[in-house]
Amino acid sequence: GAVVSQHPSRVICKSGTSVKIECRSLDFQATTMFWYRQFPKKSLMLMATSNEGSKATYEQGVEKDKFLINHASLTLSTLTVTSAHPEDSSFYICSARALPGLATGDTQYFGPGTRLTVL
Amino acid sequence: QQQVKQSPQSLIVQKGGISIINCAYENTAFDYFPWYQQFPGKGPALLIAIRPDVSEKKEGRFTISFNKSAKQFSLHIMDSQPGDSATYFCAASMGYGGSQGNLIFGKGTKLSVKP
Repeated sequence: GAVVSQHPSRVICKSGTSVKIECRSLDFQATTMFWYRQFPKKSLMLMATSNEGSKATYEQGVEKDKFLINHASLTLSTLTVTSAHPEDSSFYICSARALPGLATGDTQYFGPGTRLTVL
Repeated sequence: QQQVKQSPQSLIVQKGGISIINCAYENTAFDYFPWYQQFPGKGPALLIAIRPDVSEKKEGRFTISFNKSAKQFSLHIMDSQPGDSATYFCAASMGYGGSQGNLIFGKGTKLSVKP
């Protein structure tokens, strides 16, 4: 159980285009989903936290107009990188946390990540 | 106070040996301490987690030791295998609601297990 999927796993796009990444919790309902960015050989950097049906909370320094997050349901969150530029190239990882009250309520389950390359 | 300090940065262990990774924290409000394993090009996978009410938790070859007074916790991998070669991240969080539930990650330890 507790599987999180991401799509696509890899995307290459031209500078100036927008890219949408989907994150789904496959076998549990996630009140909260998180979006991270990871640079090579580095730790995970939290970008934003999204709760179903409400606006995402962005970490300091993360441009909310550039990284649009939508958490439309308890099993789906999307990250759209708008007007992507080469410096946005990175490994983007989502995670999902189960509803409160469950035994696994504190646990974040991570997706497999999406490698974005902007040419 | 929000930091989680992880050491060592890299670790080389012979097959069959014990791998030990350490983490220290400052915020005594942290009450959930997971360890994640990440292979190159993949997302982190939850390995094992502990809460402050116990001093040790074992799952197979993986054991977390927790020292509340020292504000330290460690991961022990017994009988280390080449397939354990990965990057390991410790993390901590407090409570559940709002940003308190966010995981604070250590910087990671790259483990290499030599055959």
